[in-house]
Amino acid sequence: GAVVSQHPSWVICKSGTSVKIECRSLDFQATTMFWYRQFPKQSLMLMATSNEGSKATYEQGVEKDKFLINHASLTLSTLTVTSAHPEDSSFYICSARKTREPYEQYFGPGTRLTVT
Amino acid sequence: GQNIDQPTEMTATEGAIVQINCTYQTSGFNGLFWYQQHAGEAPTFLSYNVLDGLEEKGRFSSFLSRSKGYSYLLLKELQMKDSASYLCAVMDSNYQLIWGAGTKLIIKP
Repeated sequence: GAVVSQHPSWVICKSGTSVKIECRSLDFQATTMFWYRQFPKQSLMLMATSNEGSKATYEQGVEKDKFLINHASLTLSTLTVTSAHPEDSSFYICSARKTREPYEQYFGPGTRLTVT
Repeated sequence: GQNIDQPTEMTATEGAIVQINCTYQTSGFNGLFWYQQHAGEAPTFLSYNVLDGLEEKGRFSSFLSRSKGYSYLLLKELQMKDSASYLCAVMDSNYQLIWGAGTKLIIKP
């Protein structure tokens, strides 16, 4: 199998605080993980590509100082939303890519963030 | 630029067959993926095509024509639980996934 876990599954925080979301590949190693955001009834939006042992690559328009990504091991990547604001409320989904062809991505269950 | 097109929404009847089309224009091609996403949940992997032709997996089949930049996902014997969004994604020359906006499939009894 290919299982990816995400923690927490949902979180409510106050405006101005920071929230950390963990993404783990449980039964395979993933040199590359991806972080997506999805607003209601909209498609997935890639935020950043996380490579183990190196800096993340952010998509255009995504603030790297606000969305801190750390990929410290082959099975763990973290996304920290710093100084969260209500407009950051969204469904955050991570995926981990297998290191062998066909390099399919397996998704975590997602984290629903609500900033009050 | 890179582009993936798929219909926004489709409706079908329980027990019937539905075909969801996807056309793409990308810089390079390393395979096409179909994912299923139920409302409020993360996507789950359905199929992968890298060579032309039909791949069958139970009630679901996926077809690819690289020369036409075209794929379809075929769902047979539709069940109510098949109501979901179906996402087409192409892996480009950099092994990055380019995502379509998804097709919302509504199944009616």
